[in-house]
Amino acid sequence: AQSVTQLGSHVSVSEGALVLLRCNYSSSVPPYLFWYVQYPNQGLQLLLKYTSAATLVKGINGFEAEFKKSETSFHLTKPSAHMSDAAEYFCAGRRGNEKLTFGTGTRLTIIP
Amino acid sequence: NAGVTQTPKFRVLKTGQSMTLLCAQDMNHEYMYWYRQDPGMGLRLIHYSVGEGTTAKGEVPDGYNVSRLKKQNFLLGLESAAPSQTSVYFCASSWTGETQYFGPGTRLLVL
Repeated sequence: AQSVTQLGSHVSVSEGALVLLRCNYSSSVPPYLFWYVQYPNQGLQLLLKYTSAATLVKGINGFEAEFKKSETSFHLTKPSAHMSDAAEYFCAGRRGNEKLTFGTGTRLTIIP
Repeated sequence: NAGVTQTPKFRVLKTGQSMTLLCAQDMNHEYMYWYRQDPGMGLRLIHYSVGEGTTAKGEVPDGYNVSRLKKQNFLLGLESAAPSQTSVYFCASSWTGETQYFGPGTRLLVL
């Protein structure tokens, strides 16, 4: 089954600094990959998804992620962090008709 | 268009009590899912449905039952609640099984 690993359960960045949240997947077959964001006391919202059409995927709120098969990675980035980006971020993946598998999440804190 | 809604938002149960969580979606999605979210463990799939009248077990189905009598509703039941079922429960729906849309969650505390 597809699995995803998020490196770092907590990440802190200064406002205006680069945001980098790491996700690696385990599969020899490129999967569908997703990044979701969860704001406090809310459900998950889709940020972006990779479905093999393009390796650089742009999402909402200025986020993007790059699929790198050689590194089995799908890291999430944003050039300049805003206070409103403080949330928990989940990487998820599925392969074929398998069910979606979530990483354990990364809580992003923005330092003023 | 309300998307995915969940009822109730918060509930406290005593050990051994039963309850039903309701999920409703107005997007005509075929697929519906129930997850639980626990600190440090991400989301784990409890049960899912690929269409009206169908249900299937996910990763952590023990202690839960589900029903999908109507396409727009997916019910999650706890017959005899246990403290280990204290969690935040999320419902999601999807048209193709690819992108999932989540409800706001139900916080359940079992004493």
